[in-house]
Amino acid sequence: ETGVTQTPRHLVMGMTNKKSLKCEQHLGHNAMYWYKQSAKKPLELMFVYSLEERVENNSVPSRFSPECPNSSHLFLHLHTLQPEDSALYLCASSQDYGGGETQYFGPGTRLLVL
Amino acid sequence: GQNIDQPTEMTATEGAIVQINCTYQTSGFNGLFWYQQHAGEAPTFLSYNVLDGLEEKGRFSSFLSRSKGYSYLLLKELQMKDSASYLCAVRDGDYKLSFGAGTTVTVRA
Repeated sequence: ETGVTQTPRHLVMGMTNKKSLKCEQHLGHNAMYWYKQSAKKPLELMFVYSLEERVENNSVPSRFSPECPNSSHLFLHLHTLQPEDSALYLCASSQDYGGGETQYFGPGTRLLVL
Repeated sequence: GQNIDQPTEMTATEGAIVQINCTYQTSGFNGLFWYQQHAGEAPTFLSYNVLDGLEEKGRFSSFLSRSKGYSYLLLKELQMKDSASYLCAVRDGDYKLSFGAGTTVTVRA
């Protein structure tokens, strides 16, 4: 079982749809992250959860709603997205939050909003 | 916000050496990371520098100068599989990690 898995790998949705992205980590880590990666742009940190509590929310529109039911799972609920939200959404985890720990990334979900 | 600059693209020949530079301006500093990302795949960890100097790992080495806000990733004996995007990321004084836009390296036969 690979360290960090994400489903689905690809998603096409209309602007009125509701969908969810799922991330699961099998590393026993305590911190999990959502990033957005757009073409030719730096990775943008969206949300951070540490021990299932949200510790960072970087001015992300409310049409993105994260959920962390336990330390192994992280969801990103999507609702009434815009075409500019099309991007690669990456999940990552690290042993803890706030130190020098390395983050381990999942393969990402390639999202296209029509 | 943080400012992290790295070249957009670099091309090199198989067997050659390529050096990817990264300059940064952050509020405080708690380490610099290099990640490799193949097209359509997850970024994977390559190296971590928190003290000045050179860290060597096989064909890959990473250098840091904190006083200059500068790092480089050195790829030696390039192989075709090294064609990828290389991401520089810096952890600031609040332990927030910010990424550069990435450098796409193309290795040609």
